[in-house]
Amino acid sequence: DTGVSQDPRHKITKRGQNVTFRCDPISEHNRLYWYRQTLGQGPEFLTYFQNEAQLEKSRLLSDRFSAERPKGSFSTLEIQRTEQGDSAMYLCASSLAESTDTQYFGPGTRLTVL
Amino acid sequence: AQTVTQSQPEMSVQEAETVTLSCTYDTSESDYYLFWYKQPPSRQMILVIRQEAYKQQNATENRFSVNFQKAAKSFSLKISDSQLGDAAMYFCAYEGIQGAQKLVFGQGTRLTINP
Repeated sequence: DTGVSQDPRHKITKRGQNVTFRCDPISEHNRLYWYRQTLGQGPEFLTYFQNEAQLEKSRLLSDRFSAERPKGSFSTLEIQRTEQGDSAMYLCASSLAESTDTQYFGPGTRLTVL
Repeated sequence: AQTVTQSQPEMSVQEAETVTLSCTYDTSESDYYLFWYKQPPSRQMILVIRQEAYKQQNATENRFSVNFQKAAKSFSLKISDSQLGDAAMYFCAYEGIQGAQKLVFGQGTRLTINP
């Protein structure tokens, strides 16, 4: 059983460019979460999917951010017109839709916006 | 909204000694879960231990144990027989049982192990 994987691990882009990250959860995990972690801080919740439905979005998720999980398996997080303030580690986690299940994290995608 | 506070930005301990990391939280919910996650320099977040709020018994996982004080809203992590591999950022996290069950993290404590 492989863990949560994320691609790419690192992304450097210029301000104004669009970027897309991918997350593959643990197979059979129907819940998928995106978090953002800035240097020296704890992760902050961005959005959550149960199967293919996006059920909650944080106020942190501006209009430039969009996330999808089209078939209830992998998910993508796109940032349009990137800004320097978007530089962070983007973490994905997955869990089963049980009331007590633990979230398992991927290695993250580190985004640097120049 | 729930909040989690870790008041120790950095801690250090001698190898083989015991160290305790502090965490307090604020919530109006009566049932929830609490976690300690470890994030080594490679940055992958790893679960260390979890505690269900309805359980009075403190959780234990090998050298890791918690002191859960529900009335005081305190959830500290004790690491016994510290090892060099324990060096990492440690995050305390809260999870409600309603809705998205998203994790709310503290600011983290950087733990250094001195050989």
